[in-house]
Amino acid sequence: AAGVIQSPRHLIKEKRETATLKCYPIPRHDTVYWYQQGPGQDPQFLISFYEKMQSDKGSIPDRFSAQQFSDYHSELNMSSLELGDSALYFCASSHGQVSSGYTFGSGTRLTVV
Amino acid sequence: GENVEQHPSTLSVQEGDSAVIKCTYSDSASNYFPWYKQELGKGPQLIIDIRSNVGEKKDQRIAVTLNKTAKHFSLHITETQPEDSAVYFCAAVGPTSGTYKYIFGTGTRLKVLA
Repeated sequence: AAGVIQSPRHLIKEKRETATLKCYPIPRHDTVYWYQQGPGQDPQFLISFYEKMQSDKGSIPDRFSAQQFSDYHSELNMSSLELGDSALYFCASSHGQVSSGYTFGSGTRLTVV
Repeated sequence: GENVEQHPSTLSVQEGDSAVIKCTYSDSASNYFPWYKQELGKGPQLIIDIRSNVGEKKDQRIAVTLNKTAKHFSLHITETQPEDSAVYFCAAVGPTSGTYKYIFGTGTRLKVLA
């Protein structure tokens, strides 16, 4: 079965650079969620989209922005990167804004040097 | 704000023994409680879940119990195997502003010793 696809798997950027992370949800899933997981930490919710509109916002810094496109894929744009942004970034998708049925991608490991 | 406490943070058990991980949540509106297993370099994978109208659910060697009154829920793994070694996260899910919010516990690193 198709899963949530994230790209790239690994990304190394320098401080103050910009990064773009991509998430391709499971086919027919219309809701996408972004999470940030620091080393040894639990996933922290950043932002979510339903039907291409932002549906919820968590602890996403102002330096980050995200959007969901007409094909339901989503991109997380991160600017003015800081060392503390180094983390695993997970995307999850679901069909509708439901409580269950989340499927997580394998994540993008961002390292800021 | 809402939070989920998870204990223990690390757990080592001998192969074949049982492992129990406990979570406590604060948001009384939470009505769905999934458990995730995260292996190194991979995304969290759902292993079992329970809804607020059920007290216990079992799937082979894995079971989850929920005490809504006390806001506690627990993961029980019996006959543990080395491949059960991973980080386990609980989550409490509840409605918020037309959508659902997942609040994750802080994770338990389970090590099954052969």
